[in-house]
Amino acid sequence: DAGITQSPRHKVTETGTPVTLRCHQTENHRYMYWYRQDPGHGLRLIHYSYGVKDTDKGEVSDGYSVSRSKTEDFLLTLESATSSQTSVYFCAIRIAGQLHEQFFGPGTRLTVL
Amino acid sequence: GQQVMQIPQYQHVQEGEDFTTYCNSSTTLSNIQWYKQRPGGHPVFLIQLVKSGEVKKQKRLTFQFGEAKKNSSLHITATQTTDVGTYFCAFRGQGAQKLVFGQGTRLTINP
Repeated sequence: DAGITQSPRHKVTETGTPVTLRCHQTENHRYMYWYRQDPGHGLRLIHYSYGVKDTDKGEVSDGYSVSRSKTEDFLLTLESATSSQTSVYFCAIRIAGQLHEQFFGPGTRLTVL
Repeated sequence: GQQVMQIPQYQHVQEGEDFTTYCNSSTTLSNIQWYKQRPGGHPVFLIQLVKSGEVKKQKRLTFQFGEAKKNSSLHITATQTTDVGTYFCAFRGQGAQKLVFGQGTRLTINP
């Protein structure tokens, strides 16, 4: 699966605590993405990156920040987690080429109590 | 911004029946992609369509892109239990850097 790993795979935290999710890839893909998946909403883009230190917002970026200091790692941070951020978070990479298909990591299930 | 609506949201069929999910946009799309997500899994790319009226087949799966490039469909012939999952359409948004996903159609099958 394009060498994408996510950590942690599961996390339970309390409202108001900071949380950082990590996405790691091994194939030097330029584009990386963070999505959240909630019932009835499909996959919604939070932030994406088009290179080291180059990031941009998606449609649901409020309450989230990202960082990409190395090609292989894309971090998603919830500065102060809220219950509305309980979700499954997927990282994805985009394969450069004609199809522009995205490959997804296994996901992180986050529960904010 | 541009969005796509997928219908139905849920579909339950008997094994062996056909299944179709539709993806509709109010604006012209430059492309459409389809993904499948098995229960508990992650989305997996199936195919991309870019041409008006394009039809592509993958075994029992048939993908179509409408003539006006405002709608697309995924049809599964003679469903099998391995087809269970959620099917998403998506299109490349502005600058081709981002994908915008539909809400998905969840398919369940009675064996």
